[in-house]
Amino acid sequence: QVQLVQSGTEMKKPGASVKLSCKASGYTFTSFYIHWVRQAPGQGLEWMAQINPRDNEANYAQKFQGRVTVTRDTSTSTIYMDVISLTSEDTAIYYCAKDGGNYGDSDYWGQGTLVTVSS
Amino acid sequence: QSALTQPTSASGSPGQSVTISCTGTSSDIGRYNYVSWYQQHPGNAPKLVISEVTKRPSGVPDRFSGSKSGNTASLAVSGLQAEDEADYYCSSYAGRGNYVFGTGTKVTVL
Repeated sequence: QVQLVQSGTEMKKPGASVKLSCKASGYTFTSFYIHWVRQAPGQGLEWMAQINPRDNEANYAQKFQGRVTVTRDTSTSTIYMDVISLTSEDTAIYYCAKDGGNYGDSDYWGQGTLVTVSS
Repeated sequence: QSALTQPTSASGSPGQSVTISCTGTSSDIGRYNYVSWYQQHPGNAPKLVISEVTKRPSGVPDRFSGSKSGNTASLAVSGLQAEDEADYYCSSYAGRGNYVFGTGTKVTVL
């Protein structure tokens, strides 16, 4: 069965960086895009980026260009997202989600990783 | 890219229907037939209920249906049940590998 297992809770200070991971299993890793979506406390969903695991090409929401980098490791079927220069506004649950193959129909989601940024 | 606009809340009694709108622009919803809808219960990850404007993934009840007209997409839930009470989000492809979510709608079953 398809599973996306994300790394654990993170607590960071303002200005720090964080690297999140998302390990995929149960399907052909290189066949489907992976998205990163975040949700601040009590707020809505926000699309951040996607990556094509086949060629490592990523696209980013303009808001996150230059501050977020998404990469993949095909040997472990794992997607990584680095976020630098953290502020309190980055406090959120970060989800990875598998694209279903039809432009944004995310059919499987990770359990989410809570990132708290506080001094 | 601005978030798609959804009503903050919607409600209906059990057995009734509710429709949620999602308004974008000619650069996203108006241009592409790649609108998805997600249901999110508190504390859980979102769940896909509609893809490509009208398609229901396997396992999603046929009480859920999607449509689109111009720059606005809609999700209809008929025969409301208690378990339908949740937050609902639309999303659309916006070109050049980018996507945008809606602001979210809280559906209450009265």
